[in-house]
Amino acid sequence: RKEVEQDPGPFNVPEGATVAFNCTYSNSASQSFFWYRQDCRKEPKLLMSVYSSGNEDGRFTAQLNRASQYISLLIRDSKLSDSATYLCVVNDPKWGKLTFGQGTILTVHP
Amino acid sequence: EAGVTQFPSHSVIEKGQTVTLRCDPISGHDNLYWYRRVMGKEIKFLLHFVKESKQDESGMPNNRFLAERTGGTYSTLKVQPAELEDSGVYFCASSPPGQGRGYTFGSGTRLTVV
Repeated sequence: RKEVEQDPGPFNVPEGATVAFNCTYSNSASQSFFWYRQDCRKEPKLLMSVYSSGNEDGRFTAQLNRASQYISLLIRDSKLSDSATYLCVVNDPKWGKLTFGQGTILTVHP
Repeated sequence: EAGVTQFPSHSVIEKGQTVTLRCDPISGHDNLYWYRRVMGKEIKFLLHFVKESKQDESGMPNNRFLAERTGGTYSTLKVQPAELEDSGVYFCASSPPGQGRGYTFGSGTRLTVV
């Protein structure tokens, strides 16, 4: 079993749609969780951290369920500029290394 | 503030040759990480420096890979001899002292071994 597993996608949605990505992780000792965004041939960039209480940043909402070891990302009112690969990332509790999911490709079309 | 800089951005070498990748972290970032993305796979951890010391090198694929960070500033990752399966994008990241928060990634080196 992979340490971090994501929806395989790809997701193709029209502008204005709501799209949700799911992710599970295997290490119950993990403490920090993130969603990163990666544009084609670019480096990963932090989109948002994920907290147990859930957190929102504009059109983006992230949720964490520690009991189920499950992380989600919801994007509302999708824009063309949201097209990218979304990476679910877990931070190793001891040394800070990041473990990445394979990523889910999102394409938002007009 | 300058970001994490990687050099070269692209490298095409023949199987059996040697390649050295360089990473300049953000000034003051004690933590420096190397990651790699092979085609079709997820980004995977290679190793972690704290200043000049190797904290965790559990992700290094084999002894053809050698990473150094002399003086605790920039780091190099040498592949010798390169094999076809070493092709991929090598990312470097740095973070401030502490538990690895506040990561910043470099734009990566795309290595192609032919």
